[in-house]
Amino acid sequence: YELTQPLSVSVAPGQTANITCGGDKIGYKSVHWYRQEPGQAPVLVIYRDRNRPSGIPERFSGSNSGNTATLTISGAQAGDEADYYCQVWDSSTEVFGGGTKLTVL
Amino acid sequence: EVQLVESGGGLVQPGRSLRLSCTTSGFSFGEYTMSWVRQAPGKGLEWVGFIRDKLSGGTTEYAASVKGRFFISGDDSKSIVYLQMNSLKIEDTAVYYCARRSTSSFYKYWGQGTLVTVSS
Repeated sequence: YELTQPLSVSVAPGQTANITCGGDKIGYKSVHWYRQEPGQAPVLVIYRDRNRPSGIPERFSGSNSGNTATLTISGAQAGDEADYYCQVWDSSTEVFGGGTKLTVL
Repeated sequence: EVQLVESGGGLVQPGRSLRLSCTTSGFSFGEYTMSWVRQAPGKGLEWVGFIRDKLSGGTTEYAASVKGRFFISGDDSKSIVYLQMNSLKIEDTAVYYCARRSTSSFYKYWGQGTLVTVSS
């Protein structure tokens, strides 16, 4: 099973960034999202498609339908710059997307 | 507080073996599935494998890229999960993270990672 993410997404400060994660019938799977800054471990930002762990701002939201899951960051800030990865469980294997570098400029 | 601390990384020659440890605290070790995830320099996250919780039988699953070379085990008495890496290849060079898996397959808790460099 493969997950496809854009290599990079750019967004202006205060605007909305959408990071997509494509996979065959991904809408039938639970998708999780992680944020990773250079030299740091990943941080869970969305689990089970649309749920935010405690401590993650409401600006972060998720959706999942058909062949695409989406992480949405509203009111983007400079501090949101990082790599973002989607992840699913499929056929006894954890699968990560290739990652998307978010740039806020 | 849940804590995961990896150790055992370093420089190793191709074809040799290395064992990584992930020392855990703050939770009941045997009740959770524990994964190893790696990240090659400048690359994305790659799942290596996991060991299931005791209730699920403590069985293991591995990524195709490491199956037959890497083995995961756990010591309930010490709350440590191990990653035994054999026949190492240059492409195994990466930061290796351990992470605690939820029943819904997401990872809220990660260690800080340990770097393994395979080079002659």
